[in-house]
Amino acid sequence: DQQVKQNSPSLSVQEGRISILNCDYTNSMFDYFLWYKKYPAEGPTFLISISSIKDKNEDGRFTVFLNKSAKHLSLHIVPSQPGDSAVYFCAASARGDFGNEKLTFGTGTRLTIIP
Amino acid sequence: GAGVSQSPSNKVTEKGKDVELRCDPISGHTALYWYRQSLGQGLEFLIYFQGNSAPDKSGLPSDRFSAERTGGSVSTLTIQRTQQEDSAVYLCASSSRSRGEAFFGQGTRLTVV
Repeated sequence: DQQVKQNSPSLSVQEGRISILNCDYTNSMFDYFLWYKKYPAEGPTFLISISSIKDKNEDGRFTVFLNKSAKHLSLHIVPSQPGDSAVYFCAASARGDFGNEKLTFGTGTRLTIIP
Repeated sequence: GAGVSQSPSNKVTEKGKDVELRCDPISGHTALYWYRQSLGQGLEFLIYFQGNSAPDKSGLPSDRFSAERTGGSVSTLTIQRTQQEDSAVYLCASSSRSRGEAFFGQGTRLTVV
């Protein structure tokens, strides 16, 4: 049961253009969403997050949008740069009695920025 | 160090042998996770420790896998009687109670031959 889904395994975008990565979730208890970036041979690194009380969070070139009714979130990168080429993972969690519960990850989208 | 540390970084073992993977989380982080990533696959959840609560072991693929966290800090993931399908990168992450983002180590690449 894949509770967090990234339906696009790969995406190619021209340098300077906008990259849009999508993620869908099924568990309505999720209230905190994150994006991670992973380079080969390295652990994932945290990029940006959003809680369910917001519908947008922006950090520099990165913006995450949350549509709770559609159970959908997206990551926008603008302008895209060659260093953004990596695998991007969407993750979600719910807040339990002892803090945030475990992170559930999607399968990832490989983003390639074309110079 | 300031980050999550995993050891060894690489491990090659013979099929049927037991292996232990170690994770040193960020100091003060109450939550600790183990994930694994097989070649070309996403991040597969294995086990989650949160404070003194009973660990969430729902992701462990078989009873050959076990993990413990001593003193609320260091964690060891043990795989008994390794099989070739256990070959993967095993990733450890930790997070604090108040903030949800988890910080990952570099991973241990396990190869079972």
